[in-house]
Amino acid sequence: DGGITQSPKYLFRKEGQNVTLSCEQNLNHDAMYWYRQDPGQGLRLIYYSQIVNDFQKGDIAEGYSVSREKKESFPLTVTSAQKNPTAFYLCASSRSREYNSPLHFGNGTRLTVT
Amino acid sequence: QKEVEQDPGPLSVPEGAIVSLNCTYSNSAFQYFMWYRQYSRKGPELLMYTYSSGNKEDGRFTAQVDKSSKYISLFIRDSQPSDSATYLCAMILNYGGSQGNLIFGKGTKLSVKP
Repeated sequence: DGGITQSPKYLFRKEGQNVTLSCEQNLNHDAMYWYRQDPGQGLRLIYYSQIVNDFQKGDIAEGYSVSREKKESFPLTVTSAQKNPTAFYLCASSRSREYNSPLHFGNGTRLTVT
Repeated sequence: QKEVEQDPGPLSVPEGAIVSLNCTYSNSAFQYFMWYRQYSRKGPELLMYTYSSGNKEDGRFTAQVDKSSKYISLFIRDSQPSDSATYLCAMILNYGGSQGNLIFGKGTKLSVKP
């Protein structure tokens, strides 16, 4: 079945450590996205990539980094510079770079930093 | 003023009830409208995607868009306990460019009691 795989489902880290969240899709989608979801805040865009080797900052990119070396993979690194990293992280993809393509989401990674 | 407003609920209804979920928006440049359903600890899944004003039906779900009032609705007929989830509206601005123009509501939590 085609879909988006995020791993791991739960992740625990100590403050000051960088951590990388995995996102893989086999939908042959061009565009990929990272969102953060906090209670009462809705979904906020961290980074997005419309094509391999290219990505743009979203609304809350500070303290995060990404890479897009392969079409199917878009890993997110949460650095120690992110002041409040504990959250539910969602990866998504869309079929094309067209701005009206709907998004398809993975099942998320819940990151807890203590 | 927030761009997309959605009542967070929670909304509790008996099984079999008709459910009405709503979002309002302020920017008339929003042209594409989506509803996502998100079960607890899962990623959002696309339910409905509409462009024009009017109704779009898919099984027990009907999406309604009223661009003149800047108001969208999702109706669920014969609601089931399996419909218990958080429902997110999302909208895309009508000018080209990136998917950074996709804006989500904060979600309405629905509980359908047997």
